[in-house]
Amino acid sequence: GEDVEQSLFLSVREGDSSVINCTYTDSSSTYLYWYKQEPGAGLQLLTYIFSNMDMKQDQRLTVLLNKKDKHLSLRIADTQTGDSAIYFCAESTNNNAGNMLTFGGGTRLMVKP
Amino acid sequence: DARVTQTPRHKVTEMGQEVTMRCQPILGHNTVFWYRQTMMQGLELLAYFRNRAPLDDSGMPKDRFSAEMPDATLATLKIQPSEPRDSAVYFCASAFRTGVGGGELFFGEGSRLTVL
Repeated sequence: GEDVEQSLFLSVREGDSSVINCTYTDSSSTYLYWYKQEPGAGLQLLTYIFSNMDMKQDQRLTVLLNKKDKHLSLRIADTQTGDSAIYFCAESTNNNAGNMLTFGGGTRLMVKP
Repeated sequence: DARVTQTPRHKVTEMGQEVTMRCQPILGHNTVFWYRQTMMQGLELLAYFRNRAPLDDSGMPKDRFSAEMPDATLATLKIQPSEPRDSAVYFCASAFRTGVGGGELFFGEGSRLTVL
Protein backbone atom coordinates (compact mmCIF):
# COMPACT_ATOMS: atom_id res chain seq x y z
CA GLY A 1 0.00 0.00 0.00
CA GLU A 2 0.92 3.64 -0.07
CA ASP A 3 3.38 4.96 2.46
CA VAL A 4 4.33 8.53 3.28
CA GLU A 5 7.30 9.26 5.52
CA GLN A 6 8.42 12.43 7.25
CA SER A 7 10.97 13.30 9.88
CA LEU A 8 9.42 13.90 13.27
CA PHE A 9 10.89 17.19 14.32
CA LEU A 10 12.55 20.36 13.05
CA SER A 11 13.80 23.33 15.02
CA VAL A 12 14.81 26.63 13.43
CA ARG A 13 15.44 30.19 14.52
CA GLU A 14 13.03 32.96 13.66
CA GLY A 15 13.96 34.52 10.33
CA ASP A 16 15.73 31.43 9.04
CA SER A 17 14.35 29.19 6.30
CA SER A 18 12.72 25.89 7.22
CA VAL A 19 12.78 22.87 4.95
CA ILE A 20 10.47 19.98 5.70
CA ASN A 21 10.97 16.81 3.72
CA CYS A 22 8.67 13.97 2.75
CA THR A 23 9.05 10.75 0.79
CA TYR A 24 6.27 8.64 -0.64
CA THR A 25 6.10 5.27 -2.32
CA ASP A 26 3.10 5.39 -4.64
CA SER A 27 4.37 6.18 -8.11
CA SER A 28 0.81 6.81 -9.30
CA SER A 29 0.34 9.74 -6.92
CA THR A 30 -1.28 12.58 -8.78
CA TYR A 31 -1.52 15.25 -6.10
CA LEU A 32 0.77 15.98 -3.19
CA TYR A 33 -0.26 18.22 -0.35
CA TRP A 34 1.07 20.07 2.63
CA TYR A 35 -1.27 20.56 5.57
CA LYS A 36 -0.63 22.54 8.74
CA GLN A 37 -2.03 21.65 12.16
CA GLU A 38 -1.88 24.17 14.96
CA PRO A 39 -2.39 23.05 18.59
CA GLY A 40 -5.93 21.99 19.35
CA ALA A 41 -7.09 22.47 15.78
CA GLY A 42 -7.78 20.47 12.67
CA LEU A 43 -5.58 20.33 9.61
CA GLN A 44 -5.58 23.19 7.14
CA LEU A 45 -4.37 22.95 3.59
CA LEU A 46 -1.30 25.07 2.96
CA THR A 47 -0.58 24.22 -0.62
CA TYR A 48 -0.62 21.38 -3.10
CA ILE A 49 1.18 20.43 -6.27
CA PHE A 50 0.24 18.33 -9.26
CA SER A 51 2.57 15.47 -10.00
CA ASN A 52 3.45 16.90 -13.42
CA MET A 53 4.97 19.98 -11.78
CA ASP A 54 8.33 20.18 -10.08
CA MET A 55 7.96 23.44 -8.23
CA LYS A 56 5.27 25.69 -6.88
CA GLN A 57 5.76 28.97 -5.08
CA ASP A 58 3.19 30.75 -2.96
CA GLN A 59 4.45 33.77 -1.01
CA ARG A 60 6.83 32.40 1.65
CA LEU A 61 6.16 28.79 0.69
CA THR A 62 8.04 26.85 -1.96
CA VAL A 63 7.17 23.25 -2.78
CA LEU A 64 9.68 21.13 -4.65
CA LEU A 65 8.77 17.76 -6.13
CA ASN A 66 11.28 15.19 -7.36
CA LYS A 67 9.02 12.60 -8.92
CA LYS A 68 11.88 10.29 -9.84
CA ASP A 69 12.99 10.03 -6.21
CA LYS A 70 9.42 10.39 -4.87
CA HIS A 71 10.58 13.25 -2.68
CA LEU A 72 8.57 16.32 -1.73
CA SER A 73 9.77 19.29 0.28
CA LEU A 74 8.24 22.40 1.76
CA ARG A 75 10.43 25.43 2.25
CA ILE A 76 9.20 28.25 4.46
CA ALA A 77 11.17 31.44 3.98
CA ASP A 78 11.66 33.90 6.85
CA THR A 79 10.12 31.48 9.36
CA GLN A 80 8.05 33.15 12.05
CA THR A 81 7.01 31.96 15.51
CA GLY A 82 3.47 31.68 14.15
CA ASP A 83 4.71 28.98 11.79
CA SER A 84 5.26 26.65 14.76
CA ALA A 85 2.91 23.75 14.11
CA ILE A 86 2.82 20.19 12.81
CA TYR A 87 3.15 19.90 9.04
CA PHE A 88 1.69 16.92 7.24
CA CYS A 89 2.60 15.72 3.80
CA ALA A 90 -0.13 13.79 1.97
CA GLU A 91 -0.64 12.18 -1.38
CA SER A 92 -3.64 11.09 -3.40
CA THR A 93 -4.23 9.23 -6.61
CA ASN A 94 -7.01 9.28 -9.15
CA ASN A 95 -8.99 6.18 -8.55
CA ASN A 96 -12.57 5.07 -8.66
CA ALA A 97 -12.68 4.89 -4.91
CA GLY A 98 -12.51 8.61 -4.65
CA ASN A 99 -9.10 10.15 -4.11
CA MET A 100 -8.57 9.43 -0.47
CA LEU A 101 -5.49 11.03 1.01
CA THR A 102 -2.67 9.16 2.67
CA PHE A 103 -0.91 11.28 5.29
CA GLY A 104 2.59 11.14 6.65
CA GLY A 105 3.18 11.12 10.37
CA GLY A 106 3.73 14.87 10.54
CA THR A 107 6.79 17.02 11.24
CA ARG A 108 6.66 19.22 14.30
CA LEU A 109 8.25 22.58 13.50
CA MET A 110 9.48 24.60 16.43
CA VAL A 111 10.53 28.19 15.75
CA LYS A 112 12.75 29.78 18.36
CA PRO A 113 12.68 33.56 18.78
CA ASP B 1 -17.97 31.10 6.77
CA ALA B 2 -18.29 27.47 5.63
CA ARG B 3 -16.67 24.97 7.92
CA VAL B 4 -16.92 21.40 9.15
CA THR B 5 -18.51 21.24 12.58
CA GLN B 6 -17.81 18.43 15.01
CA THR B 7 -19.42 17.66 18.34
CA PRO B 8 -18.52 17.08 21.08
CA ARG B 9 -15.15 18.86 21.14
CA HIS B 10 -14.17 16.90 24.23
CA LYS B 11 -15.55 13.72 25.72
CA VAL B 12 -14.42 11.80 28.79
CA THR B 13 -16.12 8.50 29.38
CA GLU B 14 -15.63 5.22 31.15
CA MET B 15 -14.65 1.99 29.52
CA GLY B 16 -17.65 0.12 28.18
CA GLN B 17 -19.77 3.19 27.53
CA GLU B 18 -21.14 4.09 24.12
CA VAL B 19 -19.68 7.15 22.44
CA THR B 20 -21.21 8.96 19.47
CA MET B 21 -19.37 11.67 17.60
CA ARG B 22 -21.14 13.87 15.09
CA CYS B 23 -20.01 15.82 12.09
CA GLN B 24 -21.75 18.37 9.93
CA PRO B 25 -19.89 18.58 6.60
CA ILE B 26 -19.72 21.73 4.55
CA LEU B 27 -22.93 22.25 2.60
CA GLY B 28 -22.54 20.90 -0.92
CA HIS B 29 -19.65 18.58 -0.14
CA ASN B 30 -20.36 15.04 -1.22
CA THR B 31 -17.48 13.19 0.46
CA VAL B 32 -16.93 12.78 4.19
CA PHE B 33 -13.91 11.24 5.88
CA TRP B 34 -13.31 10.10 9.46
CA TYR B 35 -9.72 10.14 10.70
CA ARG B 36 -8.25 9.22 14.06
CA GLN B 37 -5.11 10.90 15.36
CA THR B 38 -2.87 9.47 18.08
CA MET B 39 0.72 10.14 19.02
CA MET B 40 1.71 6.58 18.20
CA GLN B 41 -0.15 6.01 14.93
CA GLY B 42 -0.48 9.51 13.54
CA LEU B 43 -3.48 10.10 11.29
CA GLU B 44 -5.39 6.98 10.38
CA LEU B 45 -8.28 6.89 7.94
CA LEU B 46 -11.18 5.07 9.54
CA ALA B 47 -13.92 5.41 6.94
CA TYR B 48 -15.23 7.60 4.20
CA PHE B 49 -18.47 8.21 2.37
CA ARG B 50 -19.36 9.47 -1.08
CA ASN B 51 -22.90 10.76 -1.55
CA ARG B 52 -23.73 9.19 1.83
CA ALA B 53 -22.68 5.70 0.72
CA PRO B 54 -19.74 4.08 2.53
CA LEU B 55 -16.80 3.67 0.15
CA ASP B 56 -14.18 2.31 2.48
CA ASP B 57 -14.29 1.46 6.16
CA SER B 58 -11.40 -0.97 6.18
CA GLY B 59 -9.51 1.17 8.68
CA MET B 60 -12.21 0.82 11.27
CA PRO B 61 -12.43 -1.93 13.92
CA LYS B 62 -15.75 -3.43 12.87
CA ASP B 63 -16.61 -5.11 16.12
CA ARG B 64 -17.04 -1.87 18.04
CA PHE B 65 -17.00 1.01 15.54
CA SER B 66 -19.74 2.04 13.17
CA ALA B 67 -20.04 5.02 10.85
CA GLU B 68 -23.17 6.27 9.16
CA MET B 69 -24.55 9.22 7.23
CA PRO B 70 -28.25 9.44 8.07
CA ASP B 71 -28.50 12.45 5.76
CA ALA B 72 -26.25 14.74 3.75
CA THR B 73 -25.80 17.13 6.67
CA LEU B 74 -24.83 14.62 9.33
CA ALA B 75 -22.16 11.95 9.69
CA THR B 76 -21.81 9.90 12.86
CA LEU B 77 -19.09 7.73 14.30
CA LYS B 78 -20.12 5.43 17.10
CA ILE B 79 -17.99 3.32 19.42
CA GLN B 80 -19.74 0.65 21.47
CA PRO B 81 -18.31 -0.45 23.82
CA SER B 82 -15.49 2.04 24.18
CA GLU B 83 -12.04 0.99 25.41
CA PRO B 84 -9.07 3.00 26.74
CA ARG B 85 -7.15 2.34 23.51
CA ASP B 86 -9.83 4.32 21.65
CA SER B 87 -8.59 7.50 23.33
CA ALA B 88 -7.60 9.81 20.49
CA VAL B 89 -8.67 12.88 18.56
CA TYR B 90 -11.22 12.02 15.90
CA PHE B 91 -11.37 14.28 12.88
CA CYS B 92 -14.07 14.62 10.32
CA ALA B 93 -13.20 16.13 6.95
CA SER B 94 -15.33 16.90 3.93
CA ALA B 95 -14.67 17.61 0.28
CA PHE B 96 -16.38 17.80 -3.07
CA ARG B 97 -15.15 14.95 -5.19
CA THR B 98 -16.12 13.76 -8.62
CA GLY B 99 -13.75 10.80 -8.63
CA VAL B 100 -11.23 12.56 -10.81
CA GLY B 101 -8.70 15.01 -9.53
CA GLY B 102 -7.63 16.12 -6.09
CA GLY B 103 -8.42 19.18 -4.07
CA GLU B 104 -8.71 20.32 -0.55
CA LEU B 105 -10.05 18.36 2.37
CA PHE B 106 -11.65 20.62 4.93
CA PHE B 107 -11.14 19.39 8.46
CA GLY B 108 -13.20 19.97 11.55
CA GLU B 109 -11.53 20.87 14.81
CA GLY B 110 -11.76 17.34 16.09
CA SER B 111 -13.38 15.49 18.96
CA ARG B 112 -10.93 14.61 21.69
CA LEU B 113 -12.01 11.35 23.31
CA THR B 114 -10.63 10.04 26.58
CA VAL B 115 -11.76 6.61 27.73
CA LEU B 116 -10.88 5.85 31.34
